[in-house]
Amino acid sequence: LAKTTQPISMDSYEGQEVNITCSHNNIATNDYITWYQQFPSQGPRFIIQGYKTKVTNEVASLFIPADRKSSTLSLPRVSLSDTAVYYCLVGPMYGGSQGNLIFGKGTKLSVKP
Amino acid sequence: KAGVTQTPRYLIKTRGQQVTLSCSPISGHRSVSWYQQTPGQGLQFLFEYFSETQRNKGNFPGRFSGRQFSNSRSEMNVSTLELGDSALYLCASSSRPRTGIYNEQFFGPGTRLTVL
Repeated sequence: LAKTTQPISMDSYEGQEVNITCSHNNIATNDYITWYQQFPSQGPRFIIQGYKTKVTNEVASLFIPADRKSSTLSLPRVSLSDTAVYYCLVGPMYGGSQGNLIFGKGTKLSVKP
Repeated sequence: KAGVTQTPRYLIKTRGQQVTLSCSPISGHRSVSWYQQTPGQGLQFLFEYFSETQRNKGNFPGRFSGRQFSNSRSEMNVSTLELGDSALYLCASSSRPRTGIYNEQFFGPGTRLTVL
């Protein structure tokens, strides 16, 4: 199972772009990278997923370098409502179990006015 | 579609008791996973069920068990409760086969268990 390392916490201000980097040095060829967001007292919510290069959706962008040993979640122009814990997960693309996707402790993002 | 529902939302038990938590997945989802979340350990995988069979199990003692019914609803049981079992228990469902987004899980609001 690919282990991920991400900062425990980050602070930002409203309107800024926030980049959260996740390290996954032993990522396997058939692993993909997924990010979840969790607000207090709620279950995590899927944000974005990618395999290589750049993926963008209405919420965030995901940058994955060629070696895929890290990935960066980019949140443009954050607001107070983006204050949450962000989890980086790495897991197999085919087969396997949800148990192969390890959430860990995530990165607690605090957005200040 | 209705989301994942969990009952009860809050529960207070005393040490030594047992508890059963219930999870109803999104309609059509056949995979249900359970997680324990505590401030100290973060979000930890308990087990996953698919078509009434346990597919995977996390590193938890045998006091933690679960099952899945033919309608994909799932229950988890914790026997002989300990103070350290106080946590938010989250249930998540996912659809198989996957359709573009791999292994996306949809989480319920959780059950907050307090053991006194």
